Amino acid sequence: EAQVTQNPRYLITVTGKKLTVTCSQNMNHEYMSWYRQDPGLGLRQIYYSMNVEVTDKGDVPEGYKVSRKEKRNFPLILESPSPNQTSLYFCASRPRLSAEAFFGQGTRLTVV
Amino acid sequence: AQSVTQPDIHITVSEGASLELRCNYSYGATPYLFWYVQSPGQGLQLLLKYFSGDTLVQGIKGFEAEFKRSQSSFNLRKPSVHWSDAAEYFCAVGAVGANNLFFGTGTRLTVIP
Repeated sequence: EAQVTQNPRYLITVTGKKLTVTCSQNMNHEYMSWYRQDPGLGLRQIYYSMNVEVTDKGDVPEGYKVSRKEKRNFPLILESPSPNQTSLYFCASRPRLSAEAFFGQGTRLTVV
Repeated sequence: AQSVTQPDIHITVSEGASLELRCNYSYGATPYLFWYVQSPGQGLQLLLKYFSGDTLVQGIKGFEAEFKRSQSSFNLRKPSVHWSDAAEYFCAVGAVGANNLFFGTGTRLTVIP
């Protein structure tokens, strides 16, 4: 089944403790991205990647890192999480020549 | 500037009534438009999309949307709402090869018996 898989689905952590949210897609898509969803703000893009080893900042990149060492994986790294990063995170992928994105199921992160 | 506006933060309708959720966009390129639904505690599900052609598009769960280029709108409609339609609805705009999908802030739908 074609899908985007995020792990974990739920995570509670403490301020300053490094964490990684994984994202994997099995559709051989070139393009992957991360969004965060906050009440009243909709979804905002954090980082995106056009292909392996090619990443760039989205609209709200502060406090986040990403890497794209393999085509299928695009992990989101929070080196020193803070409470304002408490949010619902979505990973998405799409083919290079398409506008339609496929979303993962989301990761609900709470930083205390 | 690219943006999507969903002017209604919260809408309440009675079960069986008709529904229209508004979406206006501002986009520099040829827009590709989407409606997503998010049930409580769930991820995003694609309801329908418009790329080109017929401006009235049909989606899943009995939803439809009409693209009006002159009004920069892509409103979502359903003739008869079911209690299971209670959710949050997001409109989004993008383009082929674009770096980002731009989302509206969402409209929360409450359905009353």
